[in-house]
Amino acid sequence: QKEVEQDPGPLSVPEGAIVSLNCTYSNSAFQYFMWYRQYSRKGPELLMYTYSSGNKEDGRFTAQVDKSSKYISLFIRDSQPSDSATYLCAMTPPGHDYKLSFGAGTTVTVRA
Amino acid sequence: NAGVTQTPKFQVLKTGQSMTLQCAQDMNHNSMYWYRQDPGMGLRLIYYSASEGTTDKGEVPNGYNVSRLNKREFSLRLESAAPSQTSVCFCASSPLERERAKAFFGQGTRLTVV
Repeated sequence: QKEVEQDPGPLSVPEGAIVSLNCTYSNSAFQYFMWYRQYSRKGPELLMYTYSSGNKEDGRFTAQVDKSSKYISLFIRDSQPSDSATYLCAMTPPGHDYKLSFGAGTTVTVRA
Repeated sequence: NAGVTQTPKFQVLKTGQSMTLQCAQDMNHNSMYWYRQDPGMGLRLIYYSASEGTTDKGEVPNGYNVSRLNKREFSLRLESAAPSQTSVCFCASSPLERERAKAFFGQGTRLTVV
């Protein structure tokens, strides 16, 4: 069983819709939780970074962490065609915060 | 504003050939990493360097070696390329402790071994 599970999709939504992405994990020691966005043939770029349970909002993006359920989510409001990309969740335990464990990534297409 | 720069962007190797991928960052980061990305598997850590002068194995180090040349540069060497090493290799860097999880990635090297 992988440490981090992420539905690979693909996910296709109309412009303006809310995109909901999820990851589950098995290691209860994970402490830092990240979402990366990766455009086709580009490197991943850090989108959201959270340390604890709860919500974090940044513009149209909201990251949620539920440590009791070992579940993290990313919501994209008012989605735009420019949001079309692969979204990767990543997480890391304390004391080893350089060892990122990645999900497989979910490919999202926002249709104009 | 270069960030993390990798060379080359594409490489085709024959089985058994060797080559070195170069990576440099201009953000004064202490930690540097090499990941590989395979379809459906996310990114997996090959090697990392927590600081200048140190290197350690990650999840999938077999067939690779690394050199942390200085604070800016971290190279990845394939000694005898194998088809199983066909992947996209990404170099990344991150700042000091407590921020090390915030990795910045290069554009990737598409590696094909035939």
